Amino acid sequence: GAVVSQHPSRVICKSGTSVKIECRSLDFQATTMFWYRQFPKKSLMLMATSNEGSKATYEQGVEKDKFLINHASLTLSTLTVTSAHPEDSSFYICSASFDSYNEQFFGPGTRLTVL
Amino acid sequence: TQLLEQSPQFLSIQEGENLTVYCNSSSVFSSLQWYRQEPGEGPVLLVTVVTGGEVKKLKRLTFQFGDARKDSSLHITAAQPGDTGLYLCAGVSDYKLSFGAGTTVTVRA
Repeated sequence: GAVVSQHPSRVICKSGTSVKIECRSLDFQATTMFWYRQFPKKSLMLMATSNEGSKATYEQGVEKDKFLINHASLTLSTLTVTSAHPEDSSFYICSASFDSYNEQFFGPGTRLTVL
Repeated sequence: TQLLEQSPQFLSIQEGENLTVYCNSSSVFSSLQWYRQEPGEGPVLLVTVVTGGEVKKLKRLTFQFGDARKDSSLHITAAQPGDTGLYLCAGVSDYKLSFGAGTTVTVRA
């Protein structure tokens, strides 16, 4: 149980376009979902925390207008990278939890490459 | 930002040898987690240690949480090629995870 999926697994886009990444909890209801970013050989950095039906809470330094997060249902959260630039290229990983204080279950990640 | 430092960054050993990975911080955490991540995948939780001084064993893996709940270690006995991967520690504070940069372990057959 506790399976989290992400779609797409890989995406390549042109600079200036927007990209949407989906995170789904397949077999449980996730009140809270987290979005992380991971650079090569670097740690996972928390970008934002989203609770179903509420606005996401962004970490310091993360532009909320650039990284739009929607958590409209208990099984789906989306991250939209708006007006993407090459420096946004990264590995984006989501995690889902029954609630904020429970174990986080991680998705397989999405590799974004912006040309 | 609560920083966790992992050492070493890279570790390459022969099958059958033992290895230890360290995770240190100046911050106190309510608990500490160890994950393993394969290339192109998300991290998978191995263990959570909660109590200062706690030791947990998972087959050939032994996890220890420092008395002050600021540091932890992961020891693998008789490593096998299947243990190859990126090992990440993460400190839990409130509900957030702060990850270390990871230790890439390679076990040669």
